[in-house]
Amino acid sequence: GQNIDQPTEMTATEGAIVQINCTYQTSGFNGLFWYQQHAGEAPTFLSYNVLDGLEEKGRFSSFLSRSKGYSYLLLKELQMKDSASYLCALTGGGNKLTFGTGTQLKVEL
Amino acid sequence: GAVVSQHPSWVICKSGTSVKIECRSLDFQATTMFWYRQFPKQSLMLMATSNEGSKATYEQGVEKDKFLINHASLTLSTLTVTSAHPEDSSFYICSASGTGGEDTQYFGPGTRLTVL
Repeated sequence: GQNIDQPTEMTATEGAIVQINCTYQTSGFNGLFWYQQHAGEAPTFLSYNVLDGLEEKGRFSSFLSRSKGYSYLLLKELQMKDSASYLCALTGGGNKLTFGTGTQLKVEL
Repeated sequence: GAVVSQHPSWVICKSGTSVKIECRSLDFQATTMFWYRQFPKQSLMLMATSNEGSKATYEQGVEKDKFLINHASLTLSTLTVTSAHPEDSSFYICSASGTGGEDTQYFGPGTRLTVL
């Protein structure tokens, strides 16, 4: 089985940097995804980590340590539109995704 | 690229009726499509995995006779909620992964189902 933990809520200031952590335990691991989901909308793909290390994509970066069962999503230069839920998801065999409960990020002025 | 559509975007129906939701991959062929359900303030829960031309694989606790899934082509999967009840009211989201063997799933915009 799989178990995924994320903080429930986080608050940050516009223009700042925020790090959203995700820890997991799993019997099978192919990769880790981060998705962004605005209220009432479907998730949108942010990043995919298969190997250990940091993947940078614009203002968003994602880090993975498979030995520690740990990942984080780093958001830089926060904007108000970044207020959303951020979902950590694992994929094992067969492309199945298991989602964490998500971290609700609120960006304030 | 990698656009997935769903129809309808929202639907209201009476208890006991059936509702069909369509999921289409618009610019790629989807070997596998997934159906999720999301209740308010909760994360996505996988209901079933559907491969083109095969029977869907349902997750534990999901009734296959209530949630009928058809994946007749590489661009279309349908979910039919049969004899819907108020507790079936939820946000239903499909996703699709391509034929290139990659794991990335691309999500449709979701369908909001309200059963009165």
